[in-house]
Amino acid sequence: EVQLVESGGGLVQPGRSLRLSCTASGFTFGDYGMSWVRQAPGKGLEWVGFIRSEAYGGTIEYAASVKGRFSISRDDSKSIAYLQMNSLKTEDTAVYYCTRNGPYSRYYFDYWGQGTLVTVSS
Amino acid sequence: DIQMTQSPSSLSASVGDRVTITCRASQSINRYLNWYQQKPGKAPKLLIYAASSFQSGVPSRFSGSGSGTDFTLTVSSLQPEDFATYYCQQSYSSPLTFGGGTKVEIK
Repeated sequence: EVQLVESGGGLVQPGRSLRLSCTASGFTFGDYGMSWVRQAPGKGLEWVGFIRSEAYGGTIEYAASVKGRFSISRDDSKSIAYLQMNSLKTEDTAVYYCTRNGPYSRYYFDYWGQGTLVTVSS
Repeated sequence: DIQMTQSPSSLSASVGDRVTITCRASQSINRYLNWYQQKPGKAPKLLIYAASSFQSGVPSRFSGSGSGTDFTLTVSSLQPEDFATYYCQQSYSSPLTFGGGTKVEIK
């Protein structure tokens, strides 16, 4: 069974940093790209970024709203994806979901974690 | 960036109704269109990918169609567990973008 479990969320002050982790199980982690998607309270879904599998270069892309502040990485030996969030703003407050990309580097999200809440507030 | 516009933003329907949700892309996205269902307090769930392909385990009352810029998600006979918010998402190009959502409520 595919499982994605996020951790690392919480309350953080504006301008500070936070790192989210996504621990995967039930599939060969290194074969899949991974994405982060967020949802502000009462709002819709917003793609944050993804990291391709090594077979597709391991390259990374970001939404414009987070580019230069957030970075995504992965440790295939541990089956973990990371979202490093720096210079946090109040508008980054959201539930952050870790997702698995479709097979063969397709850019849809076939499995989702339960989400972790990040609250940016002074 | 490709803008995704869903309509309606909300609808009220009864159990057994046929429901159709529309998603329009700001430019052609071929068939790179996906649909998700989200229930309150839960993570979204993939229903349909590549416009009309079923994700494993999705009931056959759900169907997707369309290509280019115009797409539809149809529920042939609405069931109590289908009351949720539905999102479309384009996977044609980065940045990946979602529609604003359609909330399906009980009439």
